[in-house]
Amino acid sequence: DGGITQSPKYLFRKEGQNVTLSCEQNLNHDAMYWYRQDPGQGLRLIYYSQIVNDFQKGDIAEGYSVSREKKESFPLTVTSAQKNPTAFYLCATSEGETEAFFGQGTRLTVV
Amino acid sequence: QKEVEQNSGPLSVPEGAIASLNCTYSDRGSQSFFWYRQYSGKSPELIMSIYSNGDKEDGRFTAQLNKASQYVSLLIRDSQPSDSATYLCAVIHTSGTYKYIFGTGTRLKVLA
Repeated sequence: DGGITQSPKYLFRKEGQNVTLSCEQNLNHDAMYWYRQDPGQGLRLIYYSQIVNDFQKGDIAEGYSVSREKKESFPLTVTSAQKNPTAFYLCATSEGETEAFFGQGTRLTVV
Repeated sequence: QKEVEQNSGPLSVPEGAIASLNCTYSDRGSQSFFWYRQYSGKSPELIMSIYSNGDKEDGRFTAQLNKASQYVSLLIRDSQPSDSATYLCAVIHTSGTYKYIFGTGTRLKVLA
């Protein structure tokens, strides 16, 4: 069953803590993306990767880090430097200039 | 100037009417354009893709692209209450490595 799996669905972070959001795909797509969505807002690009072992900053990369060691995996770490991390995080993949496919999202809340 | 701009709405239309959603983009080199629908708390799902100037129809949906004006639109005919959602315009920017850029979305309300 092909698709994109994000985990966990809900995540709670304490102040000053780093947390990692998982994104795994079995679509064999080269490109992977992380977006952040705040209530009533659109999707803002955090990081993206076109190939393994390479990634670029998006518009709001500060306070986040990523890795792309395997084609199927693109984890996002929300570091303590991200002062307002409460949001809905979406991972997406694409191949060439075709549609992007999304995971189910992770809702992160600071407690 | 934002890379992809949409009116945030809400756009309210009566059931059965035509809803018209608009989007402008800044990268003149963009070749690929998409409309996604997003229900509250859910992931976006693809409605239409369009790559050439003109109209593309799929059921009740029509996407329109005008590259000279850097403008893409989505028409929803015979709007239904189930169409009430946020509609996101997405553009692939091609300067350097290409990347998906989304607009802020337009919230559509179809009134029964």
